[in-house]
Amino acid sequence: NAGVMQNPRHLVRRRGQEARLRCSPMKGHSHVYWYRQLPEEGLKFMVYLQKENIIDESGMPKERFSAEFPKEGPSILRIQQVVRGDSAAYFCASSPLVTGGSGANVLTFGAGSRLTVL
Amino acid sequence: RKEVEQDPGPFNVPEGATVAFNCTYSNSASQSFFWYRQDCRKEPKLLMSVYSSGNEDGRFTAQLNRASQYISLLIRDSKLSDSATYLCVAGAGSYQLTFGKGTKLSVIP
Repeated sequence: NAGVMQNPRHLVRRRGQEARLRCSPMKGHSHVYWYRQLPEEGLKFMVYLQKENIIDESGMPKERFSAEFPKEGPSILRIQQVVRGDSAAYFCASSPLVTGGSGANVLTFGAGSRLTVL
Repeated sequence: RKEVEQDPGPFNVPEGATVAFNCTYSNSASQSFFWYRQDCRKEPKLLMSVYSSGNEDGRFTAQLNRASQYISLLIRDSKLSDSATYLCVAGAGSYQLTFGKGTKLSVIP
């Protein structure tokens, strides 16, 4: 019963390079969320996706960041032209189908991808 | 700005002690509340949901005060394995979760 799978677990990039982080949700989960955790900071929501749809990207920086969740394959968070300030842990979470009501979905997190920009 | 505020600690307590964490949330539209636990350099894991009437799970008790927009977590009979950072979370809508920065707990032998 695999949980949320993220890779790579650790990624080192030089300034100006691209970073691609992948996330496969738990089996049976159709909703994917990306959060970023800067050192000594709380988790910050970035984007919420369903298959082939971006539902809410209000937490994504306007430039250089993009996310997708294709029909086949994992969700990908892409950071172009990385800068030192992008160094952080990027956590993916998944949840099952939203059932309605006012309650928030319980999220299951992956182990995270730690990006270091030199 | 929608925030969840927590005392960062650290709380250093001996084994067997009772310890309480508090947090406040600013978004009055928040409907769901959780405590997550995060070990050093690991992912957050759900500890428990927090219900209006208060709820208990073994040694852990969570309380919610909507009028004061205040959430608490009580840990009784602390174990060494309870050492972690505890994240207070408030949710508005089905997925809009706001995380606090966490309260660090160290249980010492």
